[in-house]
Amino acid sequence: AQSVAQPEDQVNVAEGNPLTVKCTYSVSGNPYLFWYVQYPNRGLQFLLKYITGDNLVKGSYGFEAEFNKSQTSFHLKKPSALVSDSALYFCAVRGKGRDDKIIFGKGTRLHILP
Amino acid sequence: DTGVSQDPRHKITKRGQNVTFRCDPISEHNRLYWYRQTLGQGPEFLTYFQNEAQLEKSRLLSDRFSAERPKGSFSTLEIQRTEQGDSAMYLCASSRGGGLNTEAFFGQGTRLTVV
Repeated sequence: AQSVAQPEDQVNVAEGNPLTVKCTYSVSGNPYLFWYVQYPNRGLQFLLKYITGDNLVKGSYGFEAEFNKSQTSFHLKKPSALVSDSALYFCAVRGKGRDDKIIFGKGTRLHILP
Repeated sequence: DTGVSQDPRHKITKRGQNVTFRCDPISEHNRLYWYRQTLGQGPEFLTYFQNEAQLEKSRLLSDRFSAERPKGSFSTLEIQRTEQGDSAMYLCASSRGGGLNTEAFFGQGTRLTVV
């Protein structure tokens, strides 16, 4: 069965420093991979996706993510963190066949320290 | 507003009552998902539709939960004989079925409180 793992419940980063939020997945077939962000009392917002092509994908608010097929990972990155990036981040995956639905990880709380 | 719409936004019900939630997806999206989210946790998959066909229902989901999408447009999620453990945010999302634009877009959710 398909699965998504976000190994860190919380990540703390100083403002201006680079950030990484980790995600690994298991799915049948080539994956479709997604990152979403949720601010307090707000809905989930789509950030970026990997469908095919370049392993490094860019999304909203300066975020990017790197697809690594051999490590089955899709880590979210940003070169310079902002306090306003503090939120809950979710990785999601969709596969093929029986895994042809979008499922989410448990989330990582990103806390940017001023 | 052409986003995903959910109604109601909040529902308070007594234990044992039935509740029904509605979701109106983005009009050109043929895929519709239902998820459940509790505070600080990730969205838990409940079920999904491709047009009017329900493709999968989570095995973790009780028989008290049922969902429909009769004409391939809006969808309803019904919970019968509600229990306190059903209290959560119920999220609906829609997407295109395939191709490059397959990301899901979410509604604001329906917050259910069972008292």
